[in-house]
Amino acid sequence: GAGVSQSPSNKVTEKGKDVELRCDPISGHTALYWYRQRLGQGLEFLIYFQGNSAPDKSGLPSDRFSAERTGESVSTLTIQRTQQEDSAVYLCASSTLGRAYEKLFFGSGTQLSVL
Amino acid sequence: DQQVKQNSPSLSVQEGRISILNCDYTNSMFDYFLWYKKYPAEGPTFLISISSIKDKNEDGRFTVFLNKSAKHLSLHIVPSQPGDSAVYFCAASKSGNTGKLIFGQGTTLQVKP
Repeated sequence: GAGVSQSPSNKVTEKGKDVELRCDPISGHTALYWYRQRLGQGLEFLIYFQGNSAPDKSGLPSDRFSAERTGESVSTLTIQRTQQEDSAVYLCASSTLGRAYEKLFFGSGTQLSVL
Repeated sequence: DQQVKQNSPSLSVQEGRISILNCDYTNSMFDYFLWYKKYPAEGPTFLISISSIKDKNEDGRFTVFLNKSAKHLSLHIVPSQPGDSAVYFCAASKSGNTGKLIFGQGTTLQVKP
């Protein structure tokens, strides 16, 4: 498809398990972002990739969170030893060049539930 | 600290009337502001934006107003339609700070037929 694709759409896991979330950005988009939305809250920035530059990891809440991106394609967000407070919708977005004035195109998100 | 705030969690208006959604920010370095709309089980979609060099930007039924001295922006929807019912997020960014957006908490708009 032409949009940002995320998988899985829903993930239920037990506390302490590791989870991996996947994002396929729009083809040709050099910038990729991960956000999360906890229930009743706004979107919280997690990490940003731009081409071959070092990623901006300033939003990652703890060292249990990590993300990778292969070139300008797929990205995976990994959460190790999940906790109940990690339950949220994890949203991926991409943009053409990653400039401040560009609009982001979001995927539908992965609903993560940690029991 | 919440740099972008939407203090009204919800708003209900009648079809055909004006909807006004408000947003306040604290960081004077923000120079680009955007509104996104989100339907349930979907990702947010871009609606309208404004640069800090302007005080108004209009696109069809949607107008965004920026008051830099008050660090306040608002989104006006005229006339409101039932299909506008969604969660609206205000977001801000700084030039040279990549496209990283700081979002508000969102306002749920319900437009009644």
